[in-house]
Amino acid sequence: EDKVVQSPLSLVVHEGDTVTLNCSYEVTNFRSLLWYKQEKKAPTFLFMLTSSGIEKKSGRLSSILDKKELFSILNITATQTGDSAIYLCAVSGTASKLTFGTGTRLQVTL
Amino acid sequence: DAGITQSPRHKVTETGTPVTLRCHQTENHRYMYWYRQDPGHGLRLIHYSYGVKDTDKGEVSDGYSVSRSKTEDFLLTLESATSSQTSVYFCAIRKDSQNTGELFFGEGSRLTVL
Repeated sequence: EDKVVQSPLSLVVHEGDTVTLNCSYEVTNFRSLLWYKQEKKAPTFLFMLTSSGIEKKSGRLSSILDKKELFSILNITATQTGDSAIYLCAVSGTASKLTFGTGTRLQVTL
Repeated sequence: DAGITQSPRHKVTETGTPVTLRCHQTENHRYMYWYRQDPGHGLRLIHYSYGVKDTDKGEVSDGYSVSRSKTEDFLLTLESATSSQTSVYFCAIRKDSQNTGELFFGEGSRLTVL
C-alpha cells in the first residue's frame, strides 16, 4: 500500500522566515510527486516532480525530489501571511491514483 | 478552472438516512475521484472511475457506493449514513491530456451526520 508521511504536522513562523516542509513516501511504480496548497477550500496545485535533483521554483516557493532516499522538500522563503495554509504532498503510483499525506499546517504571523 | 461542480455544498442529515453527492464536470475527462478529508487523516480516496460504468474502490470504500452512467457525472452514495461519515468530500478529475497524476479538485461538500 502506498504511503506518504509529512512533517512537521504544524508550524508557526514569523513573516519573513524561511520554512522547509518534508515529505517521505513509499509507492509502487512511482510516477510523480505533487505538492498542493489548501486554504479554505479545494487544494490547488503547486508543483509536480518526476526526476531527482531537479529543483522546481515558483517565486518564493521551491521543491526538490530525491528518488533514492524517497523524499521531497518544499521550501518557502520570505514567508508572508498569505502563505498560511495546509500544504499537502501526494504521490502517484499505479492505477492513476494519488495518495496524500496528512498535510502540514503552516501559520505565518506578523 | 477544470469545470467541476459539486452538489450539495453543505448537507446535514440524520444517522441511517441515504445521501447522494453529485460531481459534475464540463470537460468529459475519463478519470474522476471521490476523496474525503478529515483532521489528522488528510485526503483519503473512497472510489474512483476510469470511464462510464467503470469504477474501483479506494482505501476507505466501506459504506460508500458510486455510479457513473454518464461521462460528466460521478455520484457518491451513502446508503445509510453514520456519524463516522461526517466529513468534507472532494471530487477530483484527472485531465485526459496528462498522465502524471495531477488532479483538479471541486470546491468540496461538507456533510454532517447527526
